[in-house]
Parts: sequence; structure tokens; C-alpha cells
Amino acid sequence: AQTVTQSQPEMSVQEAETVTLSCTYDTSENNYYLFWYKQPPSRQMILVIRQEAYKQQNATENRFSVNFQKAAKSFSLKISDSQLGDTAMYFCAFYNNNDMRFGAGTRLTVKP
Amino acid sequence: EPEVTQTPSHQVTQMGQEVILRCVPISNHLYFYWYRQILGQKVEFLVSFYNNEISEKSEIFDDQFSVERPDGSNFTLKIRSTKLEDSAMYFCASSVERGPPYEQYFGPGTRLTVT
Repeated sequence: AQTVTQSQPEMSVQEAETVTLSCTYDTSENNYYLFWYKQPPSRQMILVIRQEAYKQQNATENRFSVNFQKAAKSFSLKISDSQLGDTAMYFCAFYNNNDMRFGAGTRLTVKP
Repeated sequence: EPEVTQTPSHQVTQMGQEVILRCVPISNHLYFYWYRQILGQKVEFLVSFYNNEISEKSEIFDDQFSVERPDGSNFTLKIRSTKLEDSAMYFCASSVERGPPYEQYFGPGTRLTVT
């Protein structure tokens, strides 16, 4: 079974600084998708960024980028120029064959 | 921008009672999902639904749970006889197609409190 591990329950960063959230996963599959979801205090889950496992190039969405290491089964999220609105829970998720698994989440606080 | 909506935002019920959580998916979406998040824990998949039947379900989705699309717009999750451990946030999601690259859009959630 696929598992997703986020080893950092909580992190904080100063506004305008860069922070990296870690995620590792375990799978025997070769084709899958990885996601980072943001869950702000309003609690609505919002997709931040996705990565297809067959693509070697790391996905980027504005200030958000990933470091995808397929051999190491690692999928970290880098947030550049952190903003107060980035304060939220961040969940890493793995998807394969209609099976979506989430990590336990990292609570990120951006400090002014 | 279209969005998934859920009602109520908070439901309090007594143990043993039946509850129905409602979701209105995005109108052109065909795949529907329910997830659960116990407070402070990770989001867990419950069930996916397509073409008026369950396509996948997790081990959490036992006989106490059922889903229905009663009228072509609503998508409901029923818990027949609630237990204390059913207290959680329940998220509905929908997607236009199964699987990536088609994104699952999540609703704001219903907080269920079982007393």
C-alpha cells in the first residue's frame, strides 16, 4: 500500500523568506502523481502544485516549486518569498489508480 | 469561478442518530468523492462515486456509510448510526474526469460533532 510521510508537524518562516516542506512516499508503482494541497484556517483544501512521476522536470507555480527525486521517493515543496497568506496546513498527497493518499500535514506559520 | 459547496458547515448529533451530509459538486463534474479528517490528523479517503454507483471505497467506509446522488445535483453521505469516533471534518470533492491531470476540487467541509 502507498504511504505518504511528512516528518515536520510544524514549521515557521519569516515573511519574504524561503521555506521547504518535506514529503516522502513509498510505492512500488512507476506511474503516479504527487500533489501539495494547502488548507488555510478556512479549512478548504486548495491544490497548490502537482507533479507527474514520469516527468523529470520539477513543477513550478509562481512562488511554489517542488524538488522531485523519484529514486529517493521524495517530493519537497519550496515556498519562496513567503507571504502571511501562506499560513496554513500543507498536505502532500500521492495518487495512483483512483487511490489518493495524504500525509499527516505540516502546519506552516509565516511570521511578520 | 465554480466551486463545490457543502451543507451544513457544522452538524452536532447524538450518538446513534443518523446524519446526512450534503454536497453540491461543480455542475459539469462526473466523479465525486468523500474524505474524512479527524481533528489534527490526515485527510483520509472514504469513497468515490461515478455514474450513480460507488467506484472505490476504503476500509473506513463500512456498512454504516452510504452515498447517494438523489437528484442530479446533490451528492450525499449518510451515516446511519453515528459513533463518537465519527466526529471529524468531512470533505466532498468532485472532478470532471477520473484521476490526474483532472484536479479534484474540494468543498469547504462539514464539521460533524457526535456527542
